[in-house]
Amino acid sequence: AQKITQTQPGMFVQEKEAVTLDCTYDTSDPSYGLFWYKQPSSGEMIFLIYQGSYDQQNATEGRYSLNFQKARKSANLVISASQLGDSAMYFCAMRGDWGYQKVTFGTGTKLQVIP
Amino acid sequence: SAVISQKPSRDICQRGTSLTIQCQVDSQVTMMFWYRQQPGQSLTLIATANQGSEATYESGFVIDKFPISRPNLTFSTLTVSNMSPEDSSIYLCSGGAGANTGELFFGEGSRLTVL
Repeated sequence: AQKITQTQPGMFVQEKEAVTLDCTYDTSDPSYGLFWYKQPSSGEMIFLIYQGSYDQQNATEGRYSLNFQKARKSANLVISASQLGDSAMYFCAMRGDWGYQKVTFGTGTKLQVIP
Repeated sequence: SAVISQKPSRDICQRGTSLTIQCQVDSQVTMMFWYRQQPGQSLTLIATANQGSEATYESGFVIDKFPISRPNLTFSTLTVSNMSPEDSSIYLCSGGAGANTGELFFGEGSRLTVL
């Protein structure tokens, strides 16, 4: 069974500062993938970043980076230079060996960027 | 990244009626899924849309309530049948490229309110 835990229901960050959103996971699958999504109030799910369990390097996409610590089973999202438009819900998700059919989502973290 | 278009983006429906949501994906997507996000909750997989055959439903979801079609590789529909206020949710179409590897992309979501 897979489990994703996001322990921060809400976070505040000052504009232009960096922020880390926590995500821990649990799985018995030997290979897996980790995702982060942004969901603004409009409801769409915006793909941010993906990390495969065998990727040697931590994933980065512009201002987003994924701090992947396999031994600790954590996949924290780091947003650098926060912008007001970053205010949204952020979901961590995981895909195991069964593939897309078994993508498990965390409960989300609501990020609010303060001017 | 894959392009996934979904409509309607939102609708207000009367109890007892049915609504069909359409999802169009680009050719990069080979696997298609439907998710539900109830208010303030995370995402739950409804079913995998299989091309030319019956969808594969997750526990708690049945074909009579959520009939799904996928007549070709790039198009799928989800019908929410005999709606009740408990069906008020965001319904999201998603797709993955390749055989269960890499990113999972989402459409814009369909926000349904049932009165």
